[in-house]
Order: sequence, then C-alpha cells, then structure tokens
Amino acid sequence: AQSVAQPEDQVNVAEGNPLTVKCTYSVSGNPYLFWYVQYPNRGLQFLLKYITGDNLVKGSYGFEAEFNKSQTSFHLKKPSALVSDSALYFCAVTLGVDGGYNKLIFGAGTRLAVHP
Amino acid sequence: ETGVTQTPRHLVMGMTNKKSLKCEQHLGHNAMYWYKQSAKKPLELMFVYSLEERVENNSVPSRFSPECPNSSHLFLHLHTLQPEDSALYLCASSHGVQSNEKLFFGSGTQLSVL
Repeated sequence: AQSVAQPEDQVNVAEGNPLTVKCTYSVSGNPYLFWYVQYPNRGLQFLLKYITGDNLVKGSYGFEAEFNKSQTSFHLKKPSALVSDSALYFCAVTLGVDGGYNKLIFGAGTRLAVHP
Repeated sequence: ETGVTQTPRHLVMGMTNKKSLKCEQHLGHNAMYWYKQSAKKPLELMFVYSLEERVENNSVPSRFSPECPNSSHLFLHLHTLQPEDSALYLCASSHGVQSNEKLFFGSGTQLSVL
C-alpha cells in the first residue's frame, strides 16, 4: 500500500539555524513528491515538487528538498530558518504516469517551530 | 490569496441538521477536490471532480453528498452527521487531473458536529 511517513510530530529550531523536516515514502512505480505548508487558519500552499531530473529541488521561500531514491526519502531543508517559517508542513506523494488522476497521499504533517 | 474561496469559515451543526459547504475557484481550473483534515491525521481525499464529472469517491459515507454544477463551483451537502465528522474540510483545485499538478487550496470550513 502507498504511504507517506513524517516521523516527527514537531521540529524545533532556533532562528538562523538550518532546518530539516523529514519525509519517507512507500509507493510502487515512480513517485511524484510534493511539499505543502499550512499557516494557521489557512489552507495548504504548494512549496515544491519533484517530478524527474535533478534530485535537488528548489521551491518557495528559500526551501529545497532532496529526492533520495535508495532511501525513499524527500526531506525538506532550509539553510537559515525564520520565525515566519513556523507552520505545519505536509509531504505528499502520487504515482507518476501510471497514477491516473491526481490522488495525492499526504503525511500526517510536521509542525515546525522556529524560536527567536 | 490562492484563488479558492470556501464558505462558511466555521459551521456548528446538530446531528439532525442539513447544511452545505461551498467552494468557488477563480483560476479557470478543470478539477476540484474535497479533503478532510482531522487533527494529527493525514489529509483524507474525499471526492475528485474533473470537468464537473465525479472521478473519485474515496469510500465516503453517504451522509456526505458532493455536487459540482460547473467547473468553478463545488458543494458538499451534509446531513445526519456524526460527532466524529467534526474536522476541517478543505476544497482544492488544479488545472487538470494529471499526477504532476499542484493543488490550490481554500482556507477550509471548520465543522463542529454536536
């Protein structure tokens, strides 16, 4: 069965330090991978996606993620965290060309808290 | 703003009530979705519409009834809900239903069933 795991419920980081939010997946076939962010009282916003090509993907607000096929991971990273990055982050996966319609499978989310 | 508007933002209803959630997108997209977000659980896909035709009903109980009268509007009709149906209901849209497309989400309707 397809699944996405975000092993940490919460990540705490000091402002200015690098941050990593972890994601691993389990799917058959070639996955498309996404990160979304949810700020309080808002819907999810797209951050970045990996479809094919370069394993390092750059997205909005200075975030990037690295696709690692051997470890089936797609960790979200940022070199220097901001207090305004504090939010709920969701990893999601869908199948590639065999996937049919856009049925995203989401992880349970990781709350990122950046402290001044 | 994402271009996807949901109303109402908050809704409290009894188990015998009938209510409807509304979603409107101003992006010219052809696909629309309903998701359920419960605390500390992954988002659950409920329904997918492509060009006003339902293409997925993800084993959702019949007390939830979607309606898509045109490609810009999506409704979720609710009746005889249970307390465990309390959650944030998110609407989303995308240009098409291809697997590599990103979704645009509304801010959601926070539903409380008493």
